[in-house]
Amino acid sequence: EAGVTQFPSHSVIEKGQTVTLRCDPISGHDNLYWYRRVMGKEIKFLLHFVKESKQDESGMPNNRFLAERTGGTYSTLKVQPAELEDSGVYFCASSQVRGDPISPYGYTFGSGTRLTVV
Amino acid sequence: KQEVTQIPAALSVPEGENLVLNCSFTDSAIYNLQWFRQDPGKGLTSLLLIQSSQREQTSGRLNASLDKSSGRSTLYIAASQPGDSATYLCAVLTYGNKLVFGAGTILRVKS
Repeated sequence: EAGVTQFPSHSVIEKGQTVTLRCDPISGHDNLYWYRRVMGKEIKFLLHFVKESKQDESGMPNNRFLAERTGGTYSTLKVQPAELEDSGVYFCASSQVRGDPISPYGYTFGSGTRLTVV
Repeated sequence: KQEVTQIPAALSVPEGENLVLNCSFTDSAIYNLQWFRQDPGKGLTSLLLIQSSQREQTSGRLNASLDKSSGRSTLYIAASQPGDSATYLCAVLTYGNKLVFGAGTILRVKS
C-alpha cells in the first residue's frame, strides 16, 4: 500500500509569491488533514477534510491559506501571498473511517513539505 | 484547551541502555494517544497507538503505556541502539478530531 505522498519536498520562495503544496492520501482514506510545524513550535492542526468537504478549518492561520480537495482525492494547500512567518514544515496525514467518522483508527503522515519564505 | 508536554526535551544515553520518555496531557477527554518518530528531514512515523480504553501497547523493543485519568503516557525503549536516535513525538487525538502534539524529545544513543 502506497503511503501518503507530498510534493514538493522542499520549496524556497520569495515573500509575496504564491506556493501550492500537494498531498496524495492513501487510497480509500476519506479523512485528510493538514498540519504544520513552524520554527521552534509544536506541530499544529490546520484543517480536516472528509472526502471533498472541509470538516474543520479552525486551524488555518488567515485567509492567505486556501485548501482544496478535488473529488475527495488529492488535496492542495495554497499560500498566497506568502509571508516570512509561513516558513516551516507542512505535513499531510490521512486516516480511514471505521464506522465512526469522529474516531479515526490512526493517522499516517507524509514526509512533509519544507517551505522557506525569503 | 488541550496541552501536551514531553519530558525530557533531550536525552543522550549510551547504547544498550533502557530508557523512558514521558508525555503528559491536560484534558483526559481523548480518543487515543499516538507516539511518533521523526528523523531529521523526514516525516512522522507512527510507532504505537493506544486507544483511550487501553492501558498499553507493545511493538518489539517499544512499550507505551497510557493512564488517561492522570493524563500521562510513557514510551519505554529497551536495549537502545544508535538507530533509535531521532525525535520522539507524543500526540493525543481530541474529541474535536484533532491531534495535539507535544514538542518532542530529541534522543541520541551513543555507540
